[in-house]
Amino acid sequence: DAGVTQSPTHLIKTRGQHVTLRCSPISGHKSVSWYQQVLGQGPQFIFQYYEKEERGRGNFPDRFSARQFPNYSSELNVNALLLGDSALYLCASSPLRGGSNYGYTFGSGTRLTVV
Amino acid sequence: EDQVTQSPEALRLQEGESSSLNCSYTVSGLRGLFWYRQDPGKGPEFLFTLYSAGEEKEKERLKATLTKKESFLHITAPKPEDSATYLCAVLPEITTSGTYKYIFGTGTRLKVLA
Repeated sequence: DAGVTQSPTHLIKTRGQHVTLRCSPISGHKSVSWYQQVLGQGPQFIFQYYEKEERGRGNFPDRFSARQFPNYSSELNVNALLLGDSALYLCASSPLRGGSNYGYTFGSGTRLTVV
Repeated sequence: EDQVTQSPEALRLQEGESSSLNCSYTVSGLRGLFWYRQDPGKGPEFLFTLYSAGEEKEKERLKATLTKKESFLHITAPKPEDSATYLCAVLPEITTSGTYKYIFGTGTRLKVLA
């Protein structure tokens, strides 16, 4: 079975640009969460979507937005990129809204570099 | 404020030299504590879930334990392939908004030398 798939794997953008990151959860998983991991830090919660509705938002500015599609895949959008947005963006999926006994299953992430 | 602190930040061990990693947490209520392993450039990989004080889980050379304030990841006779960053995360009791938000520590970078 395919795991959590994220695309692209790497991305370089210029300050002020917009970026869209994509995530396909494990088949049957209805919950998708997005995390930002700055180098040397632990992942920070950005959004959770469950059954195509936003169920939670972390302490991130309105430049960050996301959505979940009918097939449960998800997009994370970031507008007006800043240098500080450079990070590994992780998508995590779970069959249930609150995770499972096995926590979340994470993708390999998208490495975003803003120059 | 919910918080997770991991120590040490980095640890170098000789192959076969056992040690423990610490995760201390402050949450209003704990639904679960999770340990993950993360290799460079990869996403975190699930290791263990612990739910209540006194609980223990084992997998190969790893053993996780939980008290009311902290968790330990014990590594027995480590091998070079155990080198990775080990992340601890807590899932607090559900908020009034219904958000399930995992709170991660900054991790312990483990290097096992042959």
